[in-house]
Amino acid sequence: AQRVTQPEKLLSVFKGAPVELKCNYSYSGSPELFWYVQYSRQRLQLLLRHISRESIKGFTADLNKGETSFHLKKPFAQEEDSAMYYCALASGTYKYIFGTGTRLKVLA
Amino acid sequence: DAGVIQSPRHEVTEMGQEVTLRCKPISGHDYLFWYRQTMMRGLELLIYFNNNVPIDDSGMPEDRFSAKMPNASFSTLKIQPSEPRDSAVYFCASSMTGNYGYTFGSGTRLTVV
Repeated sequence: AQRVTQPEKLLSVFKGAPVELKCNYSYSGSPELFWYVQYSRQRLQLLLRHISRESIKGFTADLNKGETSFHLKKPFAQEEDSAMYYCALASGTYKYIFGTGTRLKVLA
Repeated sequence: DAGVIQSPRHEVTEMGQEVTLRCKPISGHDYLFWYRQTMMRGLELLIYFNNNVPIDDSGMPEDRFSAKMPNASFSTLKIQPSEPRDSAVYFCASSMTGNYGYTFGSGTRLTVV
């Protein structure tokens, strides 16, 4: 079955500390993975696509097919990073499966 | 481009009333998606269209929900009759062939009392 798991509902870190938001997926084929961010009461915005191998707002994510993971990382958290983060899997179609999301709180 | 446009932003209605949510996708995008977001269930795909044709409506909760896309620039999601458990934020998103990711609208916050 195709599934995206974000094990943490809430992650609190202090400003300047490293951040890692976990995402694991279940898919037998070749996945396309994304991270979306939703700031308070705003629309979801695309943050990263694994295929682009880019860094946006200091965030990076590496696809690890062996561990079926796509964790989102940032070396030094900032208060403006506080938001809801969703991992999404495109399973060979244009239909995305989203994880349940992780709320990141960056404390001053 | 103004992005994906949804209306209304907020809707409060009484149980039993008909509710219509509207979406204008980004010009040139050939995929359109309707999602529902709740605290309990997160983001759920309700239905999606390709070139105005419904492809997968397996996420539509029940017959009270219906969606249409009469042309490439407009889609509606209708709930009739509405119930309190339909209260949620409804997002529309569009995408183009090639899987570059979705662009979401601002959502419609629906409250059924």
